[in-house]
Amino acid sequence: DAKTTQPPSMDCAEGRAANLPCNHSTISGNEYVYWYRQIHSQGPQYIIHGLKNNETNEMASLIITEDRKSSTLILPHATLRDTAVYYCIVRVDGYKLSFGAGTTVTVRA
Amino acid sequence: SAVISQKPSRDICQRGTSLTIQCQVDSQVTMMFWYRQQPGQSLTLIATANQGSEATYESGFVIDKFPISRPNLTFSTLTVSNMSPEDSSIYLCSALSQRGAAYGYTFGSGTRLTVV
Repeated sequence: DAKTTQPPSMDCAEGRAANLPCNHSTISGNEYVYWYRQIHSQGPQYIIHGLKNNETNEMASLIITEDRKSSTLILPHATLRDTAVYYCIVRVDGYKLSFGAGTTVTVRA
Repeated sequence: SAVISQKPSRDICQRGTSLTIQCQVDSQVTMMFWYRQQPGQSLTLIATANQGSEATYESGFVIDKFPISRPNLTFSTLTVSNMSPEDSSIYLCSALSQRGAAYGYTFGSGTRLTVV
């Protein structure tokens, strides 16, 4: 069973920020939240991960609520190449990744 | 993180036959996994490939249908046996570089299987 809930789809204008929400209300206290994306016909690509604090890297920012029951992935300046399915993932049974349905993000010119 | 080479990248197979997919990692990894992605769907974990022992299968997947080998720390194979059109999917290999690491999961580019 998936442990995360995401909206099925989202549109974003090129150059604007894309904010992708995720609910993970059953996450345990020491489990990380991972974000991956899958561009058509490719394997999932790592974006970012976090535990409690907000995180930022060259690809994105991750905002985690204080109660850790939800998070938001922020793509600061979306480009056409960011069109993909974005997965918010938590680990189950210690080391296995549980993929939900993901959010299909379409960036439009 | 590790780099994964997976082959074949795609194949078209006759029903009733078997296909073996190979996954090679460029460094020793702690754990390896096999996923299935049916058309238009998310990834579903098939099994954890254990080095030197039988794989650990998820509910709904059995060894007779999806035999898995992992002879060493950098290589694994998944066989899809006695194929039917319902087995048409993308099969993906994944590796975890360090147990407990938050970022160590890497995925191969997948094998697109079509059964006719």
